Amino acid sequence: SYELTQPPSVSVSPGQTASITCSGDKLGDKYTFWYQQRPGQSPVLVIYQDAKRPSGIPERFSGSNSGNTATLTISGTQPMDEADYYCQAWDSTAGMFGGGTKLTVL
Amino acid sequence: QVQLMQSGAEVKKPGASVTLSCEASGYTFTSHTIHWVRQAPGQGLEWMGWINADNGNTRYSQNFQGRVAITRDTSASTAYMEVSGLHSEDTAVYYCARGIGTAAGVFWFDPWGQGTLVTVSS
Repeated sequence: SYELTQPPSVSVSPGQTASITCSGDKLGDKYTFWYQQRPGQSPVLVIYQDAKRPSGIPERFSGSNSGNTATLTISGTQPMDEADYYCQAWDSTAGMFGGGTKLTVL
Repeated sequence: QVQLMQSGAEVKKPGASVTLSCEASGYTFTSHTIHWVRQAPGQGLEWMGWINADNGNTRYSQNFQGRVAITRDTSASTAYMEVSGLHSEDTAVYYCARGIGTAAGVFWFDPWGQGTLVTVSS
C-alpha cells in the first residue's frame, strides 16, 4: 500500500524558515495537501493542490511538490506556528495521511 | 460561515456499535462530500471514508470495510457514521470534514468538525 513519510519533528528559531517534507513514491504525480493541528484543536487546511493557500492562511505558508517529495515551507516562522503538520494525498480512491511532523519554535 | 457540528462524546463497551453525527451549515450540503477521519490518542490522522452528500454514494478505507457505514440525511444537512464491532483500539477522536474535490475524485478537507471522542472500555 502507498505510504507518506514525514520526519517526526522539526525545530526552528522564531523568524527563520521551517521546511517540512513528505515523501512517497512518485508523489509529484499526485496533489498534496497540508494541515496544521494545534494541541487540542481540529486540523486546519493550510495548503491545497500542492501550493495553493486557502483564504485566511498567512502568506508565510507555501508548498511545493516534485519527484518523490512534497515540502511545506513556513517563512518567518512565528511562535503561533508551533503545531503538528500532516500531509495528505490520494492513492487511487483511498485517502492517506503522513504520520505527522511536530514543529517546535524555539 | 461554513461549519460542521458533531455530536457529543460517547462511551461504549467492546463489541458495541456507535453512530456519530455531523451537521453542516453555511453551504449547500449536497454540493460537497463529507469525509470521516479518526485520531487515536497521541497518534496521527487516519482517513476512514466519505459520502457524496448529493447521491449518497460512499467509499471506505479497506481498513474499515464492512465495519463502517456512512449515511446522510439531506433534509437535515447531516451525515452519520456508524462503527460496529468496537474494540479498545477504536478509542479515538472522530472528525468529519467537508471534502472539496476535483472530478478525478481528489479531495481536500476544509473545514473540519470539532471532533467526537469515542471511548471503548469494559
